[in-house]
Amino acid sequence: KAGVTQTPRYLIKTRGQQVTLSCSPISGHRSVSWYQQTPGQGLQFLFEYFSETQRNKGNFPGRFSGRQFSNSRSEMNVSTLELGDSALYLCASSFGDTTGELFFGEGSRLTVL
Amino acid sequence: QKEVEQNSGPLSVPEGAIASLNCTYSDRGSQSFFWYRQYSGKSPELIMSIYSNGDKEDGRFTAQLNKASQYVSLLIRDSQPSDSATYLCAALSGGYQKVTFGTGTKLQVIP
Repeated sequence: KAGVTQTPRYLIKTRGQQVTLSCSPISGHRSVSWYQQTPGQGLQFLFEYFSETQRNKGNFPGRFSGRQFSNSRSEMNVSTLELGDSALYLCASSFGDTTGELFFGEGSRLTVL
Repeated sequence: QKEVEQNSGPLSVPEGAIASLNCTYSDRGSQSFFWYRQYSGKSPELIMSIYSNGDKEDGRFTAQLNKASQYVSLLIRDSQPSDSATYLCAALSGGYQKVTFGTGTKLQVIP
């Protein structure tokens, strides 16, 4: 069974640009969560989607948005990039509705110059 | 105050010893707790889940939960150099799949 797939793996952007990251969950998993990981803050919850609905959102500005498609694939978008958005963005999928057992992709490493 | 707190370490133990990793949480509504392991340059992977007070054993790993003290721990017996990684404590809180992570404890197992 294929794992969680995230694309692109690495990307470099400049301040003010926007970026879209993609996540394909494990087949059969309907919940997709997104996290930002930085050395100082650790893993910070961005949002979680289930059956195309955003059920939870973390404390990030409105520049961070996401969506989920009918095939459970998810995208997140960051607009008007800032230097502080440089981070590893991790997507995780889960089979159950509220299990908390997450399977992570390898992440998308974003560098903002 | 962070919702899930861990000592960042590093925690150094000799090979074959017991490594003890600790975590506290602030949300009394949290019901489910997890330990994830993250090797350097890799993504986190789930190694243990615990849902009720007491101990849960899986091979060399034992997770312990004390809801009254809001305390979770992970014991690794017969530590191996391959156990060297950052261990993330996490709690399911805020409903649905909102999993909150601690900042992790770096474990170094010295051969």
